[in-house]
Amino acid sequence: GAGVSQTPSNKVTEKGKYVELRCDPISGHTALYWYRQSLGQGPEFLIYFQGTGAADDSGLPNDRFFAVRPEGSVSTLKIQRTERGDSAVYLCASSLSGTGLNTGELFFGEGSRLTVL
Amino acid sequence: GEDVEQSLFLSVREGDSSVINCTYTDSSSTYLYWYKQEPGAGLQLLTYIFSNMDMKQDQRLTVLLNKKDKHLSLRIADTQTGDSAIYFCAESRSRDDKIIFGKGTRLHILP
Repeated sequence: GAGVSQTPSNKVTEKGKYVELRCDPISGHTALYWYRQSLGQGPEFLIYFQGTGAADDSGLPNDRFFAVRPEGSVSTLKIQRTERGDSAVYLCASSLSGTGLNTGELFFGEGSRLTVL
Repeated sequence: GEDVEQSLFLSVREGDSSVINCTYTDSSSTYLYWYKQEPGAGLQLLTYIFSNMDMKQDQRLTVLLNKKDKHLSLRIADTQTGDSAIYFCAESRSRDDKIIFGKGTRLHILP
């Protein structure tokens, strides 16, 4: 498809385990964003990439969270030693930020629902 | 700091106008957005407004911006059952910056 693709759509894990969530942005989109949405809340900014580098990682809650985008396309959000409070829907979005074609619009995927038991 | 506040619920009768309000704190906000989230779907941009504008109209949607009070509103004329969704107010300092979202207003349509 032509949209932002996130896998897995659902992930159930046990407290203390390691988790990876993958995002495949729209082809040609230079910027990629990770947000976290808890029940009844709005999307909470975590990190965004401009190309391969993290332009702003001020939203990562602690050092258990890490994200990479090694080739400037697909990104992986990595969570170590998961805690029950990490349970949420993790949203990925991409945009044309930085290209001069950007209207400011973020194109969101459907999210990866993480449940930590 | 950056903060976006909006009321959590709104109920409106079908055919009436819906008005969803939002306030933000960052005086450097340049772009203000309304996103829509339908059940089981991702967020989609509805409309946006630049901070140098005070109104934008797009079919049934009217966005009003009061920059002095840092207040943004979204009016949906002739509200339909298909408008039932969560509406998120959001802001950014530039079109290439991160976007900060409010908690969302759940719009419920009464028959």
